[in-house]
Amino acid sequence: EAQVTQNPRYLITVTGKKLTVTCSQNMNHEYMSWYRQDPGLGLRQIYYSMNVEVTDKGDVPEGYKVSRKEKRNFPLILESPSPNQTSLYFCASSLSAGGSGELFFGEGSRLTVL
Amino acid sequence: SQKIEQNSEALNIQEGKTATLTCNYTNYSPAYLQWYRQDPGRGPVFLLLIRENEKEKRKERLKVTFDTTLKQSLFHITASQPADSATYLCALHGLTGGGNKLTFGTGTQLKVEL
Repeated sequence: EAQVTQNPRYLITVTGKKLTVTCSQNMNHEYMSWYRQDPGLGLRQIYYSMNVEVTDKGDVPEGYKVSRKEKRNFPLILESPSPNQTSLYFCASSLSAGGSGELFFGEGSRLTVL
Repeated sequence: SQKIEQNSEALNIQEGKTATLTCNYTNYSPAYLQWYRQDPGRGPVFLLLIRENEKEKRKERLKVTFDTTLKQSLFHITASQPADSATYLCALHGLTGGGNKLTFGTGTQLKVEL
């Protein structure tokens, strides 16, 4: 089944404790992206990647890192999480390298930073 | 500045009626526009894509219009059903800051009542 898989789905952590949210897609998509969703603010792009070893900042990249060593994986790293990073995170992928096509989203990762 | 506006108030309609959701934008020249459905706690799911040179697109009970003069897209669900209750997001794709980008509105919640 074609899908985008995120882990963990739920996480409660404390300020400053490094964490990684994994994202994997099995559709051989070129483009992958991370979004965060907050009430009243909608989906905001954190980082995106148009291909392996190519990543770029989105609208809200501060406090986050990403890597794209393999086509299928695009982990989101929070080196030193802070409470303002409490949010619902979505990974998405698209066949189009420019991100111009239909986006396939994961089920989301709800992160709480205390 | 660029803005995408969707009605933040929930739209309540009766089963069987046509639901019409609006997406307005300013300071954009989108190459195309997409609509997504999002259920609570789930990732958005792609519904339709319409290009700037298309006036209308249909898929089963769904219809999207795109008026680049008015800078508006309308999303219609005919013969609405309670199962159509969800939040609907519009997303615009265009070139900003030198790169391709898909930007989402905050969504409109639709409630279809028996």
